[in-house]
Amino acid sequence: GAGVSQSPRYKVAKRGQDVALRCDPISGHVSLFWYQQALGQGPEFLTYFQNEAQLDKSGLPSDRFFAERPEGSVSTLKIQRTQQEDSAVYLCASSPPGQGNTGELFFGEGSRLTVL
Amino acid sequence: AQSVAQPEDQVNVAEGNPLTVKCTYSVSGNPYLFWYVQYPNRGLQFLLKYITGDNLVKGSYGFEAEFNKSQTSFHLKKPSALVSDSALYFCAVRDSRGGGYQKVTFGTGTKLQVIP
Repeated sequence: GAGVSQSPRYKVAKRGQDVALRCDPISGHVSLFWYQQALGQGPEFLTYFQNEAQLDKSGLPSDRFFAERPEGSVSTLKIQRTQQEDSAVYLCASSPPGQGNTGELFFGEGSRLTVL
Repeated sequence: AQSVAQPEDQVNVAEGNPLTVKCTYSVSGNPYLFWYVQYPNRGLQFLLKYITGDNLVKGSYGFEAEFNKSQTSFHLKKPSALVSDSALYFCAVRDSRGGGYQKVTFGTGTKLQVIP
């Protein structure tokens, strides 16, 4: 596709359920980032992949959060045993080779998670 | 630790007037600085960046930003505001040291309202 694609756009989960959020980056983009954006806040870094390698997961808030990118393209962010404080928009961004640090990030439209 | 401050939650400006959205940053080394814009229910969209060189950076849609090292600021400006500029604006920073990957930190955002 032309841009970063995220699915689902909206997800409602009951507390305790597991959820999986998918990100399909722009073809050829090596770097992939996940951010969490709570209502009225800026994006907060969760994790970073370079190809299939997860180089930084320091932003994942707990061991309930897990991300993978097994073939270096599509990535999945999984949240186990969801809690109400997990309610947020989860943004995925990708960046082409050589631009991951100094260039622009291309963001998807986000997956809005609401935990009841 | 690096951080970004956007002191104004909202900026109101009349159409046709100049606009400024303020940003200050804190980083240990030299900064790489970015501005992004977010329209309702959309992902973030890159506007411009400062890496090195000229302190005045020009970006998309007529926006520009001025890097001021002594004041650790990177204010976003536009000479003549349009109603269509109304959106949420995010400033972001990363440390230039160390090469390779380092994560980008975002501010909390400033809502720009351009009044017809």
